[in-house]
Amino acid sequence: GQQLNQSPQSMFIQEGEDVSMNCTSSSIFNTWLWYKQDPGEGPVLLIALYKAGELTSNGRLTAQFGITRKDSFLNISASIPSDVGIYFCAGQISGNTPLVFGKGTRLSVIA
Amino acid sequence: EPEVTQTPSHQVTQMGQEVILRCVPISNHLYFYWYRQILGQKVEFLVSFYNNEISEKSEIFDDQFSVERPDGSNFTLKIRSTKLEDSAMYFCASRGLQPGTQYFGPGTRLLVL
Repeated sequence: GQQLNQSPQSMFIQEGEDVSMNCTSSSIFNTWLWYKQDPGEGPVLLIALYKAGELTSNGRLTAQFGITRKDSFLNISASIPSDVGIYFCAGQISGNTPLVFGKGTRLSVIA
Repeated sequence: EPEVTQTPSHQVTQMGQEVILRCVPISNHLYFYWYRQILGQKVEFLVSFYNNEISEKSEIFDDQFSVERPDGSNFTLKIRSTKLEDSAMYFCASRGLQPGTQYFGPGTRLLVL
């Protein structure tokens, strides 16, 4: 089946630092989504990307849909303690197909 | 802001018992999904549901699983005879007309003993 390779698996950063994580796939996706999951909670949608090359921001978060449609990255600027959690990328072939999730990046922020 | 809700938040059951997990999707959404997440692993698709029927299902969604939309608001996942390996967080998600944007509920943590 389709797989998304998400990296890094985990990150420890100082508060105020910028963070970057990415997802790659061997197959094309037409939608890329980034979710954040806090312990014991459901994934919360952060950013949705619909077009190759699209760059979208949501506050301190910026995500891009790769030109090849096989990758996406998420940047978080000036990290704060509440950014702690697991960030998942998800790809979708078309609007009605299920999401394929990456394995997540666990972010820890040291104050 | 509208949100997906799920009940119960936690369920403990004995192997072989039936469980029903309940979800109330966002009210004007038309597409519904169940996913599961085994502890420490990624989120995996189980089934999608549209227009009162299953649109797509994964290999995980075998004959022990079923879904239903018994009324205009609830969306349920039933596991007929639970196995130890069914222990996981189960998430319901829904989306409206905009493709791709699925909103997840808080999940039901199922523990099968």
